[in-house]
Amino acid sequence: QVQLQQSGAELAKPGSSVKISCKASGYTFTSYYISWIKQTTGQGLEYIGYINTGSGGTNYNEKFKGKATLTVDKSSSTAFMQLSSLTPDDSAVYYCARSGFSGWFAYWGQGTLVTVSS
Amino acid sequence: DIVLTQSPVLAVSLGQRATISCRASQSVSISSINLMHWYQQKPGQQPKLLIYRASNLASGIPARFSGSGSGTDFTLTIDPVQADDIAAYYCQQSRESPDTFGAGTKLELK
Repeated sequence: QVQLQQSGAELAKPGSSVKISCKASGYTFTSYYISWIKQTTGQGLEYIGYINTGSGGTNYNEKFKGKATLTVDKSSSTAFMQLSSLTPDDSAVYYCARSGFSGWFAYWGQGTLVTVSS
Repeated sequence: DIVLTQSPVLAVSLGQRATISCRASQSVSISSINLMHWYQQKPGQQPKLLIYRASNLASGIPARFSGSGSGTDFTLTIDPVQADDIAAYYCQQSRESPDTFGAGTKLELK
């Protein structure tokens, strides 16, 4: 069965970076994009962007350009998202999700809680 | 960005019909393809896809869930509501980048 397994919770200091992983299994990794979504109580669900797992090409929501960097390791079927220059506003649960060209998210990771605090 | 508007809360009785609406600030349809999707999220869990392209039931989702609409107005219907359906429901559009989500509707028991 399709599974997306994300890395564990992160506690980070303001100004630092974190890198979250999303390991896929149960399907051909390069046949689907991996998207990333941020969830906070205040802002709800926000789309960060996606990575084409075959080519490595990326597409970012303008809001997250410079904040998020998406990469992929095809050999391990793992997608990564690095968040840089962290501020308390980056505290959230971050999800990876499998997406296709038509744009819905059929499978989601379990979420990674990132807490930014000094 | 396309703004999706949902009512924050809907109170229903078990066994009754729940109708959850989502209104887009501009059309999310291309010809006859409606790029609106619906998710259910329970506390502490990731969202789960219920409906894709406005009216298509996702795999494994019970037939009491259905979706309809086109253009800017879309509806998720749950009939009849069961106790397990108490959750938050989100719409999402993929018509225009960036994808956007509604703020969610919390389904509560009357």
